[in-house]
Parts: sequence; structure tokens; C-alpha cells
Amino acid sequence: DQQVKQNSPSLSVQEGRISILNCDYTNSMFDYFLWYKKYPAEGPTFLISISSIKDKNEDGRFTVFLNKSAKHLSLHIVPSQPGDSAVYFCAASSNSGGSNYKLTFGKGTLLTVNP
Amino acid sequence: IAGITQAPTSQILAAGRRMTLRCTQDMRHNAMYWYRQDLGLGLRLIHYSNTAGTTGKGEVPDGYSVSRANTDDFPLTLASAVPSQTSVYFCASSEGQGHEQFFGPGTRLTVL
Repeated sequence: DQQVKQNSPSLSVQEGRISILNCDYTNSMFDYFLWYKKYPAEGPTFLISISSIKDKNEDGRFTVFLNKSAKHLSLHIVPSQPGDSAVYFCAASSNSGGSNYKLTFGKGTLLTVNP
Repeated sequence: IAGITQAPTSQILAAGRRMTLRCTQDMRHNAMYWYRQDLGLGLRLIHYSNTAGTTGKGEVPDGYSVSRANTDDFPLTLASAVPSQTSVYFCASSEGQGHEQFFGPGTRLTVL
């Protein structure tokens, strides 16, 4: 049972345009969500996060939106740059049941930003 | 060193052999984790440790064991490697109360 789903394996956008990466989750106990970015042959790096008490968090060109009723979050990158080309992983965690140290990851979306 | 280091960077291993992947962090984080990344499957948690002296099973623990004798080190052992354990392995750590995990550079393991 996949609790965090990234239904688009890949996304291609033009430089300067907006990139929107989507993520859906099924576990209503998740209360913290993160996006990680991964370049080939490197470990994932933390990008941005959002708590379930908020519906938006912004950091420079990156904004994460959370729609709890739809169990959906999205990452917006504006403007997209060729250096943003990477695999993006959505992750979620829950503070309940003593499991607040573990993250559940989606399968990732490969973003390609074309010059 | 700063952050998380993993060794070896890559390894080719014959099936049936024993292998230990090493992970060391210098951030004094309480929690540490081992993931494997496979094409089309994302990152799957193998084992984790919330604090030194404790470990727990993740999503795909079979065939793997871990130990956490101290805060800094979290080795992952494959007692008898099988080809399905061919993967890229990432170690990560977090402060424990927070959720952000910091990842190492990974170990690419091939089991023939």
C-alpha cells in the first residue's frame, strides 16, 4: 500500500516557466511533509517542508502548497532554471504512535528544465 | 568531516558473501536511518535507530541487520548477500525531534 504517491514519473518544462510537482497521500495521520531534491550519484538534499497547520510555505523560488482535505501537496518552482533538473521526492511523517522519526517517501518525479 | 560519510562508495559482491556498509555522522544527531533506492520504487526504509542503543525495522528489513553502539556510527550488514539486494544504499540522520533528514552520498552495491 503506497501511502505517498507521485503519479508523474517525469516532467519537462522550459527555463523561466513554472514547474509544478504533485504529491498525494493516503494516511490521514501524516502531519509533516517535505520535498527532497536528488542529483545523480548524490544523496537527496532537503528542499522545503510544511506542517499540516499551514497551507503554504515559501522559500525563494520554491513554494509548497498543502490541501489537507484533498490529501494533496504540490511544489512550485518559479522561475525554473536548468540547475533545477533533478529527481524530486515528496515525503511525509506522523508524530503519532512514536513514529515521528520516520519518513515515507514517494517514488519521485524527474524534472527536466530545458534551456 | 562534516555531515554524513558512507563507505564504500561502490562495491561488487558475490552472492552469499557477507558485507557491511558503513555510515558515520558528525552532527551528533540522535536518529539514523538506512534506505535503499531502486528504479521506479523511490526510497524505502530498511532499518532505523531513534537513539544510540535502539534499532527498529523499516519497510524492507529482511536480509539486513543494523547496530547502533554509539551516536555517530550506524553500520548496515548483509549477512548473506543475494542479487535482489543490488541497489543504491543511503544512510541518513536527523536530530530526532525534527523531521528533516540529512543524507549521505550513498553506496552502490552490486550482488552477482
